[in-house]
Amino acid sequence: QKEVEQDPGPLSVPEGAIVSLNCTYSNSAFQYFMWYRQYSRKGPELLMYTYSSGNKEDGRFTAQVDKSSKYISLFIRDSQPSDSATYLCAMSEGNYQLIWGAGTKLIIKP
Amino acid sequence: SQTIHQWPATLVQPVGSPLSLECTVEGTSNPNLYWYRQAAGRGLQLLFYSVGIGQISSEVPQNLSASRPQDRQFILSSKKLLLSDSGFYLCAWSVLQGGYTFGSGTRLTVV
Repeated sequence: QKEVEQDPGPLSVPEGAIVSLNCTYSNSAFQYFMWYRQYSRKGPELLMYTYSSGNKEDGRFTAQVDKSSKYISLFIRDSQPSDSATYLCAMSEGNYQLIWGAGTKLIIKP
Repeated sequence: SQTIHQWPATLVQPVGSPLSLECTVEGTSNPNLYWYRQAAGRGLQLLFYSVGIGQISSEVPQNLSASRPQDRQFILSSKKLLLSDSGFYLCAWSVLQGGYTFGSGTRLTVV
């Protein structure tokens, strides 16, 4: 069993829809949770960074962490074609090492 | 502000040839530095990380090596490339408990 599980997709939704992306994990020592967005042929860019449980909102993006269920989510409101990318979750115990999900490919149809 | 430079953007090399990819970071001191490889449609595989000059840790045994000759310079090398070394190579930096900042990547094709 992988430490971090993420559905690779692709997930295809119409423009304007609410998108929900998820990861589950097995290591209860994870404290830091991140979401990265990666466009084709580009390096990943940090989208959301959360410490411990709770919600964090930034514009159209909301990150949720439920440590009791070992489950994290990224919600995208009013999705745009420019949101089409691969979204990777990552998490850490607080040391140098990030554990990565495999990434979910998201397609927003105009 | 902090920036990370990685070059070249694309590279086509014959099997058995050497490799040198360079990454430099500006605007921060004593960063943690990382080399990742991403195969097509796959996740990120950590190859090497460094917490200081001359300190290199390898995560995956292979014919690649890394060096950190200066605080903000990280180099990925190979003496003889294999076909299986093809992929998208990414350099990244971080501070402890911080998110990673990635370079723009090098797409390596070994032919």
